[in-house]
Amino acid sequence: DAKTTQPPSMDCAEGRAANLPCNHSTISGNEYVYWYRQIHSQGPQYIIHGLKNNETNEMASLIITEDRKSSTLILPHATLRDTAVYYCIVRSSGSARQLTFGSGTQLTVLP
Amino acid sequence: GAVVSQHPSRVICKSGTSVKIECRSLDFQATTMFWYRQFPKKSLMLMATSNEGSKATYEQGVEKDKFLINHASLTLSTLTVTSAHPEDSSFYICSAKPRGGRTEAFFGQGTRLTVV
Repeated sequence: DAKTTQPPSMDCAEGRAANLPCNHSTISGNEYVYWYRQIHSQGPQYIIHGLKNNETNEMASLIITEDRKSSTLILPHATLRDTAVYYCIVRSSGSARQLTFGSGTQLTVLP
Repeated sequence: GAVVSQHPSRVICKSGTSVKIECRSLDFQATTMFWYRQFPKKSLMLMATSNEGSKATYEQGVEKDKFLINHASLTLSTLTVTSAHPEDSSFYICSAKPRGGRTEAFFGQGTRLTVV
């Protein structure tokens, strides 16, 4: 599975959009980009995933660059409850293997 | 989304005793479940992969006789920490991957184990 690089921490004002970047320059053609988040002392929560098209759901939007070497997770209106560690993971969709977690980005939403 | 229930959420046990943690997929079947361990301020580390009806596959450095895994059905996997010691105190998390077309995995709430 391709390795990902994320900034260790970011702050965002409550009510503003939070844009979390992820670099995955070695991604291969059949690998998806997954985003999870982990609120303190809880299990990770699935957010969104995509292959090459931009995706949106009730939680967030995922923007993947045309060359697929990077992506951005967008929380359109961040709330205090969005404070968490956000993990960007790249993996092939057909894989039954585990998700490999990097260090993630600690997002702190400020009042 | 799919729900994975992990029980108990917190447990305190004495050194030398064993503790069982359950992981259930509530609304889907999972042929594969994963067990992770997480130390404070660290990322999740895979311990083992649990396959229904077969023996678990352990990651390097994880003692299979200490961390017993049983995946007896398509909705239940258990992790038993045997002869627990204080250094086994940690946050244990399971995840389950639905069989069929869905590609994402779902996680339990985690179990905070404290061995005193």
